[in-house]
Amino acid sequence: DGGITQSPKYLFRKEGQNVTLSCEQNLNHDAMYWYRQDPGQGLRLIYYSQIVNDFQKGDIAEGYSVSREKKESFPLTVTSAQKNPTAFYLCASSSTGPSIMNTEAFFGQGTRLTVV
Amino acid sequence: AQTVTQSQPEMSVQEAETVTLSCTYDTSENNYYLFWYKQPPSRQMILVIRQEAYKQQNATENRFSVNFQKAAKSFSLKISDSQLGDTAMYFCAFMRWGGSEKLVFGKGTKLTVNP
Repeated sequence: DGGITQSPKYLFRKEGQNVTLSCEQNLNHDAMYWYRQDPGQGLRLIYYSQIVNDFQKGDIAEGYSVSREKKESFPLTVTSAQKNPTAFYLCASSSTGPSIMNTEAFFGQGTRLTVV
Repeated sequence: AQTVTQSQPEMSVQEAETVTLSCTYDTSENNYYLFWYKQPPSRQMILVIRQEAYKQQNATENRFSVNFQKAAKSFSLKISDSQLGDTAMYFCAFMRWGGSEKLVFGKGTKLTVNP
């Protein structure tokens, strides 16, 4: 079945450590996104990518980094520079382009990151 | 930059009744998509309904329908015959079409359906 997979579901990080969240999709989507969700804040865009080897900063990119070496994969690294990383992280993908009709974003099940 | 505003942080409705969730957005684009996503306690995001901006007809999906007012930049969601399973966070979202497909969300409305 096609879909988008995030791992792990729960992740614990010590202060000062970098940690990488995995996101893989087999939907053949060009676009992928990372969002952070905090209570009362909705979904805030961290990074997005529309094509392999290219990505753009979203609204809250500071303290995060991404790569897009393969179409299927868009890992997110939470660095030690992110001062308040405890949150729920969602990855999404979508089809893109002016010829694409009925597009929608498909989401993974999320990763809950906690700093201990 | 596009922004999406949901002015109702929380709402409640009695089972079997109708409720409307509000959403406004700001954009200078002419071609775009609007979405309503549902996030139940499992936190899985589920697409409820989609509207293409070039379509004048309001989208409907079973008990869910929208009131799309392009000139007013308004996109409300109506849930008819509310069910307990409709209890969830609801997010309105905007995606520009045919260019930089950045997907932008509002802050959400927490809907509770009471028995």
